[in-house]
Amino acid sequence: DGGITQSPKYLFRKEGQNVTLSCEQNLNHDAMYWYRQDPGQGLRLIYYSQIVNDFQKGDIAEGYSVSREKKESFPLTVTSAQKNPTAFYLCASSTGGGRGANQPQHFGDGTRLSIL
Amino acid sequence: GENVEQHPSTLSVQEGDSAVIKCTYSDSASNYFPWYKQELGKRPQLIIDIRSNVGEKKDQRIAVTLNKTAKHFSLHITETQPEDSAVYFCAASIGWGGGSQGNLIFGKGTKLSVKP
Repeated sequence: DGGITQSPKYLFRKEGQNVTLSCEQNLNHDAMYWYRQDPGQGLRLIYYSQIVNDFQKGDIAEGYSVSREKKESFPLTVTSAQKNPTAFYLCASSTGGGRGANQPQHFGDGTRLSIL
Repeated sequence: GENVEQHPSTLSVQEGDSAVIKCTYSDSASNYFPWYKQELGKRPQLIIDIRSNVGEKKDQRIAVTLNKTAKHFSLHITETQPEDSAVYFCAASIGWGGGSQGNLIFGKGTKLSVKP
């Protein structure tokens, strides 16, 4: 069954701790994205990657880091520099568009991160 | 950069009535407009999308209209049912190429409640 798997579903972070959120897809998609969702807000882009070994900052990248060593995996690390990490984190993927085209983004079930 | 405004933030309708959610965008180069439905605690799911080369698209009880001149697009749900209750997000993208990465800019969402 193809899809996007995020883990864990719930995560708690202690003061000064880095935590890593997992995102795996078996859709053979080139592009992957991380979004942050806060109550009453839309989805805000943290990082995105169009291809393996390449990624770009989104609108709210400060305090976060990513890697893209494999096509199917795009883990997000929430560092201690992110002072307000409590949020719902969503990973998405798409086939990528090539020049001038857009393809739909498909989302995982999310990880809810809270501060201890 | 692109900015997407979504209205209303909450909408309550009686079962069987129609619901309309409107979004405006700022960048006239935007050419892809998806709509997502998100039930409480779940992933956003794509329900319909439209590209700038068409003015309207329908899928059963759901339709989206696009007015490129006015830079706004709307989601129309007819014969609403209680299971339509969710948060709906619009988004816009200017596509890939020319320095753009095809990223989506989301509105802040509309919470739709359908009362039986």
